[in-house]
Amino acid sequence: GAVVSQHPSWVICKSGTSVKIECRSLDFQATTMFWYRQFPKQSLMLMATSNEGSKATYEQGVEKDKFLINHASLTLSTLTVTSAHPEDSSFYICSARPLAGASYNEQFFGPGTRLTVL
Amino acid sequence: KQEVTQIPAALSVPEGENLVLNCSFTDSAIYNLQWFRQDPGKGLTSLLLIQSSQREQTSGRLNASLDKSSGRSTLYIAASQPGDSATYLCAVVIQGAQKLVFGQGTRLTINP
Repeated sequence: GAVVSQHPSWVICKSGTSVKIECRSLDFQATTMFWYRQFPKQSLMLMATSNEGSKATYEQGVEKDKFLINHASLTLSTLTVTSAHPEDSSFYICSARPLAGASYNEQFFGPGTRLTVL
Repeated sequence: KQEVTQIPAALSVPEGENLVLNCSFTDSAIYNLQWFRQDPGKGLTSLLLIQSSQREQTSGRLNASLDKSSGRSTLYIAASQPGDSATYLCAVVIQGAQKLVFGQGTRLTINP
């Protein structure tokens, strides 16, 4: 149980285009999902917290107009990188916190999406 | 501001050895602490979660301890195997907040 999927697993795009990444909780409902970014050989950096049906809360220094987050249902959150540039190339990981049946703030992580912007 | 530190940054040991990974945090007001495993290019796999009221948790060859007052946790791996090679991350949840604060990780290599 508690499986989180991400799609796509990797994507290559041209500079200036937008890319959408999906995060799904497959066997549980999640009121809250989190988006992280990870640079090579570094730890995870929280980008934003996404609550179903409301606006995402962005961490300091993260541009909300560049990284659009939508959490339209209890099983799906999307991250759209708008007008992507090479410096946006990174590994993006989402996590989901179950609505019930888990420890406080126990999060289950997706497999990640590798974004490369040419 | 909560800061999480993991020592060592990298560790290489022969197969079969028992080993300890260390995690320290600056603010003892935490809800829980989690240990994760990350394989190269992959997401995170949760290994153990210790609530703030607990002292330790065990799963198979893994044992995690928590000393909240001193701001420390250890992950003990018994009888290490090459398949244990990965990066191990610890993370804490601060009281009153939702988010996980991660350490930088320990890159573990088990040599056959």
